[in-house]
Amino acid sequence: SAVISQKPSRDICQRGTSLTIQCQVDSQVTMMFWYRQQPGQSLTLIATANQGSEATYESGFVIDKFPISRPNLTFSTLTVSNMSPEDSSIYLCSVREDMNTEAFFGQGTRLTVV
Amino acid sequence: AQTVTQSQPEMSVQEAETVTLSCTYDTSESNYYLFWYKQPPSRQMILVIRQEAYKQQNATENRFSVNFQKAAKSFSLKISDSQLGDTAMYFCAFMSNAGGTSYGKLTFGQGTILTVHP
Repeated sequence: SAVISQKPSRDICQRGTSLTIQCQVDSQVTMMFWYRQQPGQSLTLIATANQGSEATYESGFVIDKFPISRPNLTFSTLTVSNMSPEDSSIYLCSVREDMNTEAFFGQGTRLTVV
Repeated sequence: AQTVTQSQPEMSVQEAETVTLSCTYDTSESNYYLFWYKQPPSRQMILVIRQEAYKQQNATENRFSVNFQKAAKSFSLKISDSQLGDTAMYFCAFMSNAGGTSYGKLTFGQGTILTVHP
């Protein structure tokens, strides 16, 4: 099973600033995803992080607001740009080695924008 | 697009009793996976159980079992002998096995908060 280290675990940020969240996996994985979980809500997929190419974003999410990098098969970052209080959420990294294995999740980053 | 619906925002159960969480989904696909995830206050998402749509036999994992009704698009989770550690938010999730743009992505229901009382 994959072990995921997600940093930071929480942060309080000023509106208008940006925060970069890191996701480090202890093994090479095919698929990496970023999800958002707004307070008391379900998880919504932001994007698929593609190794060596631009991320694939879901409807309602754009690269300028949530730039994603994935330089190799074990690491990805998600940046939340020009933050507003509406961006206050838990952001989770998820990985899957292939379709026949379970999805593993990081412990999440709790972001509060003030 | 797929949708997943959990109609029970909150449930409670006494320790050692049995509780069933409901989930329905909508899809036009025939090949997919269904999951139940548990999210305790620690925020860590933990896989509870998974079901492949092509399998008629309901999945079981120790005290956890599912009732998968493919025609009705229903996927309920039964927790037997409930324990205090089962207290968490439970999410039902769908994943297409069709490939393409849906490859590997999970669609989650709204979640059900389960509280186990001593």
